[in-house]
Amino acid sequence: AQSVTQLGSHVSVSEGALVLLRCNYSSSVPPYLFWYVQYPNQGLQLLLKYTTGATLVKGINGFEAEFKKSETSFHLTKPSAHMSDAAEYFCAVTGANNLFFGTGTRLTVIP
Amino acid sequence: DAGVIQSPRHEVTEMGQEVTLRCKPISGHDYLFWYRQTMMRGLELLIYFNNNVPIDDSGMPEDRFSAKMPNASFSTLKIQPSEPRDSAVYFCASRPTSGGYNEQFFGPGTRLTVL
Repeated sequence: AQSVTQLGSHVSVSEGALVLLRCNYSSSVPPYLFWYVQYPNQGLQLLLKYTTGATLVKGINGFEAEFKKSETSFHLTKPSAHMSDAAEYFCAVTGANNLFFGTGTRLTVIP
Repeated sequence: DAGVIQSPRHEVTEMGQEVTLRCKPISGHDYLFWYRQTMMRGLELLIYFNNNVPIDDSGMPEDRFSAKMPNASFSTLKIQPSEPRDSAVYFCASRPTSGGYNEQFFGPGTRLTVL
């Protein structure tokens, strides 16, 4: 069965600091992995996805994630946080026809 | 291309009333998903359709909830009768059958408040 675990429901970073949001997955088949972002009062939008090939995936707004099969991880990073990055972030793994979402991590950026 | 369209964006109703939420998926998308988001329970999948047919409704909380997809461009989620605990943001999402690796495209959501 497929599932994801997001460590830390809330993460706070200072503006300009490194952002690291953790995601570990469980999958019985080679996974497709996603990060979605939800800004206040909006729907979820795709930040980046891993399907096959290069394990370091770059997304929008300077975010990237690295697929590590040995660690069953897909952590999201950004070198320098911006105030506009404050949002909720969801990791997801593909199921047969749908996606299994984590519980989300709320990122706060401190000026 | 227009994204997933949901209406209304906000709905306030009184306990016991019927509520109908509407969704128009992206043209050409064969899968449609309904989610509910609350602070307590996070993002929950309620039901999804493929080619207008419900495939998995195991997430529908109880018989008060029903969903239909009469055609490829329209779906409804109905709550009758509504209760205060149904207050949440309801999202609709869609995706095509092939390509995209199951990536889903989300609508802006309907914020439901049941008084």
